Amino acid sequence: DAGVTQSPTHLIKTRGQQVTLRCSPKSGHDTVSWYQQALGQGPQFIFQYYEEEERQRGNFPDRFSGHQFPNYSSELNVNALLLGDSALYLCASSQRGTNQPQHFGDGTRLSIL
Amino acid sequence: DAKTTQPPSMDCAEGRAANLPCNHSTISGNEYVYWYRQIHSQGPQYIIHGLKNNETNEMASLIITEDRKSSTLILPHATLRDTAVYYCIVRVGYSGGGADGLTFGKGTHLIIQP
Repeated sequence: DAGVTQSPTHLIKTRGQQVTLRCSPKSGHDTVSWYQQALGQGPQFIFQYYEEEERQRGNFPDRFSGHQFPNYSSELNVNALLLGDSALYLCASSQRGTNQPQHFGDGTRLSIL
Repeated sequence: DAKTTQPPSMDCAEGRAANLPCNHSTISGNEYVYWYRQIHSQGPQYIIHGLKNNETNEMASLIITEDRKSSTLILPHATLRDTAVYYCIVRVGYSGGGADGLTFGKGTHLIIQP
């Protein structure tokens, strides 16, 4: 049973560019959440998708956007990249309507030059 | 969601029990306590969660005080592979209308000494 998978594992971009990160949820999960983790900090919640719509959002600008597909997989898009966007981006999946925990992928390491 | 307080770091000898405390004095009745850990360069790994009763699984035990204002995660026989950052998170349960975004603090860096 595959867990949460993310791609790519590493990515290097320059300021002003745009990036798309991808996530496939754990089998049986229908909800995807995205987090940003700066070096030495805990993960910070970006947003959550369920039924192909953004349901909850953290304190992130609208340069951060996302999408969920009918198969529950998800993309995170970041426009106009800034040096401060360098971080580990984590995807977590869960089953809506339960108190069961979110399960995380190993993330995409994004470096902005 | 209620705020949690954890010590920034702890040491434990290999083979001994590691006891990680968490303070959540403002927790409300419909909030669960979740524990995750993160080993360097990996995503957070779920360990255990509970509402008010003590819980045990194959990884750890969770002890929640009767007033629910604090909890302790116990790793019964720590190994070197348990060296990681441990996060204690409080979240409103689904029936209480809670959303799924988790609020992480800085956690406790647990170092297992050989």
